[in-house]
Amino acid sequence: GAVVSQHPSWVICKSGTSVKIECRSLDFQATTMFWYRQFPKQSLMLMATSNEGSKATYEQGVEKDKFLINHASLTLSTLTVTSAHPEDSSFYICSAREREGQGAWETQYFGPGTRLLVL
Amino acid sequence: GQNIDQPTEMTATEGAIVQINCTYQTSGFNGLFWYQQHAGEAPTFLSYNVLDGLEEKGRFSSFLSRSKGYSYLLLKELQMKDSASYLCAVDNYGQNFVFGPGTRLSVLP
Repeated sequence: GAVVSQHPSWVICKSGTSVKIECRSLDFQATTMFWYRQFPKQSLMLMATSNEGSKATYEQGVEKDKFLINHASLTLSTLTVTSAHPEDSSFYICSAREREGQGAWETQYFGPGTRLLVL
Repeated sequence: GQNIDQPTEMTATEGAIVQINCTYQTSGFNGLFWYQQHAGEAPTFLSYNVLDGLEEKGRFSSFLSRSKGYSYLLLKELQMKDSASYLCAVDNYGQNFVFGPGTRLSVLP
C-alpha cells in the first residue's frame, strides 16, 4: 500500500520559535496533500489543502501567515509553524491522495503524525 | 454547509457485534470513507462506499444510503485491539474530506 512519512514525529520547542514539519509520499506521486490538526479526544480538523506547484488553500480560521505550507514537489509538502505559541501545541497529521485513474476512487493515506509541544 | 454526526462513545464486549452510525449533510458527495484511529496514531483506511449498499471486508462491513445521508460501520467478532476511534469522512467532490467527530469504541473483556 501507499506509504506517507512525516518528520519529525516529536517536537518540543520554546515559544516564539518556528517549526518545520515534512510530509513525504514514499512510493507514489501525490498531486494533493492535506494538513490536519487534532486536539486530544477530538476529530481531525483540516487546516489546508496543498497542491503541487501552487498556493495552498486554507480553511476558514487558519492563519496562512502563521502556518506556511510549501508543496515543492510531487512527493514533498512542508508545514512551518511560525512563531509557535503554547496554544499551537497539537498533533499535526498530513495525508496524501493517490490518484488511481479516471473514475477510480481516491483515498487519503495518512502520515504517522507529528506531536508538537510548545513551552 | 457541512455537518457530519457520529455517536461520541460506544462500549461493546469482546466477540460481539457493534454498529457505528454516521449521518451527513454536505454540499458535495463523492463517496464516504471509514477510518480507524488508535490513540496517538494516524488514521488508517477501513472502507469506502460510493454507491448504496453494503461493502464487506472481513470482520468489517460498511453500508451507505445516499438518499438518507446515512452510513454505518459494522464490526463483527470484536477483539480487544478494535478499541479505537472510528471516523467517517465524506469526500467533498474530490476536493477534500470532511471528517465526522469520531466515535470512541471501547471493547471490554
